[in-house]
Amino acid sequence: NAGVMQNPRHLVRRRGQEARLRCSPMKGHSHVYWYRQLPEEGLKFMVYLQKENIIDESGMPKERFSAEFPKEGPSILRIQQVVRGDSAAYFCASSPGAAVDTGELFFGEGSRLTVL
Amino acid sequence: GIQVEQSPPDLILQEGANSTLRCNFSDSVNNLQWFHQNPWGQLINLFYIPSGTKQNGRLSATTVATERYSLLYISSSQTTDSGVYFCAVAPYNFNKFYFGSGTKLNVKP
Repeated sequence: NAGVMQNPRHLVRRRGQEARLRCSPMKGHSHVYWYRQLPEEGLKFMVYLQKENIIDESGMPKERFSAEFPKEGPSILRIQQVVRGDSAAYFCASSPGAAVDTGELFFGEGSRLTVL
Repeated sequence: GIQVEQSPPDLILQEGANSTLRCNFSDSVNNLQWFHQNPWGQLINLFYIPSGTKQNGRLSATTVATERYSLLYISSSQTTDSGVYFCAVAPYNFNKFYFGSGTKLNVKP
């Protein structure tokens, strides 16, 4: 059973470009979370999605950031017009159930974004 | 939101030593997990433990939900145990996990 797959593992962008990060959840998981980790810090919640629905985006900046989890295909985290402060590791996690139930998180290996 | 505090923030051990890591949280939780982030950045599930005690080899964990804390025990530590240990909790009625700041463990040979 394949784990959570994230790509690209490393991404370099210049200021003003777009970054698109992809996440394929574990088989059978319909709940996806995105977290951001700055160097030497913990993980900060960004957004929680189920298939075709954004359930909670309270941790995601209102501008430049968007996320989707279409009926077919991976979840996408999109950052438009990147700035140096967006440089971070972005982790995706999937779960078979909601956090309020007994959903256990499983993480991908992360996508490391560097903005020049 | 809920506060998640981990202690100690940093820990240096000699190989073979035992240690206890603590996670305190400020509200009732429905869900709690421990993760190990290895030096390559991978997040590895250690325990899913909203309550009770579990053991897996040299590691064990105990969560006392009524007193709002969880403990992670590492016995006979090895250099491969180095990295950062995170506690993550999901409060009741919140569909997300909050992470503590982690305990950075360095096991020396």
